[in-house]
Amino acid sequence: DQQVKQNSPSLSVQEGRISILNCDYTNSMFDYFLWYKKYPAEGPTFLISISSIKDKNEDGRFTVFLNKSAKHLSLHIVPSQPGDSAVYFCAAGSGNNRKLIWGLGTSLAVNP
Amino acid sequence: DSGVTQTPKHLITATGQRVTLRCSPRSGDLSVYWYQQSLDQGLQFLIQYYNGEERAKGNILERFSAQQFPDLHSELNLSSLELGDSALYFCASTRGEYNEQFFGPGTRLTVL
Repeated sequence: DQQVKQNSPSLSVQEGRISILNCDYTNSMFDYFLWYKKYPAEGPTFLISISSIKDKNEDGRFTVFLNKSAKHLSLHIVPSQPGDSAVYFCAAGSGNNRKLIWGLGTSLAVNP
Repeated sequence: DSGVTQTPKHLITATGQRVTLRCSPRSGDLSVYWYQQSLDQGLQFLIQYYNGEERAKGNILERFSAQQFPDLHSELNLSSLELGDSALYFCASTRGEYNEQFFGPGTRLTVL
């Protein structure tokens, strides 16, 4: 049972445009969410997180939106750059449980 | 550079053998997580240690075991290796409020 779902395995975007990566979850107990970026042959890199008490968190070109009623979050990258081409993972956690539940990732390709 | 180190970078071995993967967390981090990423798969959480004690267990096979030592480095032992154990093995350490995990570069295990 996939508690964190990234339904788009891949996404292709033009440089300078907005990239929107989506993530859905089923467990209402999750109270924080994280996005990671992963290049081939490297470990995932933490990008941005959001607590369930917020609906938006912004860090430079990256913004994460959380819609708790829809159990949906999205990562917006504006403007997209070729260096953003990577696999993006959504992960969720709850309370003191230090185990993160991960989505399967979305591969983003930003074309020059 | 996340500050998390993993050795070796690559490991090639035969079925039935036993290997040990090593991870050193970032300075000051007490928690170590182990993940497996098989081809075209997301990150599968294996096990977590906190300050020397096992804290959470995921989809870890009985043939696999781990420990965290007093200096906080951790080792993942994989025994009776099978072809299907070929994967990237990542470790991560954590410090942040929302469990931001910082990943090492991974160990690529190939079982022939």
